[in-house]
Amino acid sequence: AQKVTQAQTEISVVEKEDVTLDCVYETRDTTYYLFWYKQPPSGELVFLIRRNSFDEQNEISGRYSWNFQKSTSSFNFTITASQVVDSAVYFCALSEVGDYKLSFGAGTTVTVRA
Amino acid sequence: EAGVVQSPRYKIIEKKQPVAFWCNPISGHNTLYWYLQNLGQGPELLIRYENEEAVDDSQLPKDRFSAERLKGVDSTLKIQPAELGDSAVYLCASSKTGSTEAFFGQGTRLTVV
Repeated sequence: AQKVTQAQTEISVVEKEDVTLDCVYETRDTTYYLFWYKQPPSGELVFLIRRNSFDEQNEISGRYSWNFQKSTSSFNFTITASQVVDSAVYFCALSEVGDYKLSFGAGTTVTVRA
Repeated sequence: EAGVVQSPRYKIIEKKQPVAFWCNPISGHNTLYWYLQNLGQGPELLIRYENEEAVDDSQLPKDRFSAERLKGVDSTLKIQPAELGDSAVYLCASSKTGSTEAFFGQGTRLTVV
């Protein structure tokens, strides 16, 4: 069975601070995908990134960066120089190859104050 | 290009009443998902369709929930009868066949009173 844990329920920061969201996962498969989604107040889940289990390279996209470490089963997400528009709930998710179901963590609510 | 469209956005019903949610996926996306999101939790898969076939409905409570995707495009999720515990957000998502990148709609927030 697969499982995703996001230990941080809520994080509150002041604008321009960096914020790191933790994600730890469990799976018995050697091949899987990891995802991050953003859910703003409007409710729609917005896809941010997908990584496969064979690619441990860290990735940067603008102010977003992701650190994938198979040795610790973690896929952490950092927002650099946070902005008020980053306020949302962020979900980490896992999908095993051949099983298109996404298993989500409970989410981390990020509040960025001006 | 239009995203995944769901309606209604909000629904309030009394317990024991029936309710239905509608989803229109992104054009060309043969895979359609219905997820349930309880307050403060991540979404959980209810059912996945490949075209008109339900290929994974193992998490769908079949005593009161049903879904259909008759022509392999839009889909309807029904609850009959609704219970208080069904209050949640029902999310629809779609993807191209074989792709793990799913696109979500805004969801239908159901309140059962």
